[in-house]
Amino acid sequence: AQKITQTQPGMFVQEKEAVTLDCTYDTSDPSYGLFWYKQPSSGEMIFLIYQGSYDQQNATEGRYSLNFQKARKSANLVISASQLGDSAMYFCACRDSASKIIFGSGTRLSIRP
Amino acid sequence: EPEVTQTPSHQVTQMGQEVILRCVPISNHLYFYWYRQILGQKVEFLVSFYNNEISEKSEIFDDQFSVERPDGSNFTLKIRSTKLEDSAMYFCASSDRAVSNQPQHFGDGTRLSIL
Repeated sequence: AQKITQTQPGMFVQEKEAVTLDCTYDTSDPSYGLFWYKQPSSGEMIFLIYQGSYDQQNATEGRYSLNFQKARKSANLVISASQLGDSAMYFCACRDSASKIIFGSGTRLSIRP
Repeated sequence: EPEVTQTPSHQVTQMGQEVILRCVPISNHLYFYWYRQILGQKVEFLVSFYNNEISEKSEIFDDQFSVERPDGSNFTLKIRSTKLEDSAMYFCASSDRAVSNQPQHFGDGTRLSIL
């Protein structure tokens, strides 16, 4: 069975600094996808970035990048030059060849001005 | 950009009453999902639906829950006799394929409050 672990329940970061949100995963399926979603206080789930298990390069999407270390089963999200609007809950998630997504418990990121 | 639409945004219901949560998935998507997020907790999978039938369900999705695609656009979640512990945010999601490299696109959620 899949499992996603996010060990940082909360983080505080100064505006304009980079921040890394940790995620480790466990799945027995050789083909899987790793995702990060952002959930602002308004509640919606916003897809940020995706990394495939066979991808050779780390995924990037604007200020977001995913530090994928397959041997360590980690998929950390890096946000460069953080902004006040980045304050939100961030969920790491995994989808294998079955259809559902399994989510981690989330990290609440707070950006200080 | 096409999006998943959920209605209502907030539903308040008396315990024991039936409730129907509605979703309009992205139009060319074929795979549909419901997830639940109890306040302060992580998002949990409830059910997946493809080709007019349930393809997978979690242990949360007991006999009180049902899903339906009554027409070509709507996807509904029904809770037959609501309990206090059903209070949560319910998310509908859709994807065009059930493969690992496709994200599921989420609606904005329905906040269900059981009194």
